[in-house]
Amino acid sequence: EAEVAQSPRYKITEKSQAVAFWCDPISGHATLYWYRQILGQGPELLVQFQDESVVDDSQLPKDRFSAERLKGVDSTLKIQPAELGDSAMYLCASSLVGKSSYNEQFFGPGTRLTVL
Amino acid sequence: GDSVTQMEGPVTLSEEAFLTINCTYTATGYPSLFWYVQYPGEGLQLLLKATKADDKGSNKGFEATYRKETTSFHLEKGSVQVSDSAVYFCALSDIAHMLTFGGGTRLMVKP
Repeated sequence: EAEVAQSPRYKITEKSQAVAFWCDPISGHATLYWYRQILGQGPELLVQFQDESVVDDSQLPKDRFSAERLKGVDSTLKIQPAELGDSAMYLCASSLVGKSSYNEQFFGPGTRLTVL
Repeated sequence: GDSVTQMEGPVTLSEEAFLTINCTYTATGYPSLFWYVQYPGEGLQLLLKATKADDKGSNKGFEATYRKETTSFHLEKGSVQVSDSAVYFCALSDIAHMLTFGGGTRLMVKP
């Protein structure tokens, strides 16, 4: 069964360091999402891509976060510099389309980030 | 803006007990409503959905009915199993198809 792949599964870093997370969506899924899930809370959307274009990044802290999906397939989310408050689970999801009708979002296992 | 409110957990039940997890929402327009489940160490999985008022979503013995008059989408199951232990998230999708999640409710089922 096709799945969304994410790596690494766990990352520990010190504040002010740079970190990067990778996501490979289900083959053929044009829409890709990055969410942040703080412990004990629901996921919050950071950025949405349609193919290689950003559809919505209104909640992405652009002073330190960046996301790219250069070839419209896999994606990288970067934080530089990391802060203590960035400790969370970072989830990637993908769906077939995101414009004309709702299509189920399939979630990866997430990357748990701990900033010391 | 849109928001989803869930009952706080944890909810602890004995096996075969009846489950209700309350969910209410605030939204403009007519959102679609969802329940997602997250098992330990895994990502979220769609459990069920309803796209219009009075629709009932169902899957794996779980049910939820879209109640527009009370802006609610409560999750129910008649007889829970230990394997149902997980965190359950209520969510809505607006006209732009963006998901807004509730805070999650942890369910623990004891044998």
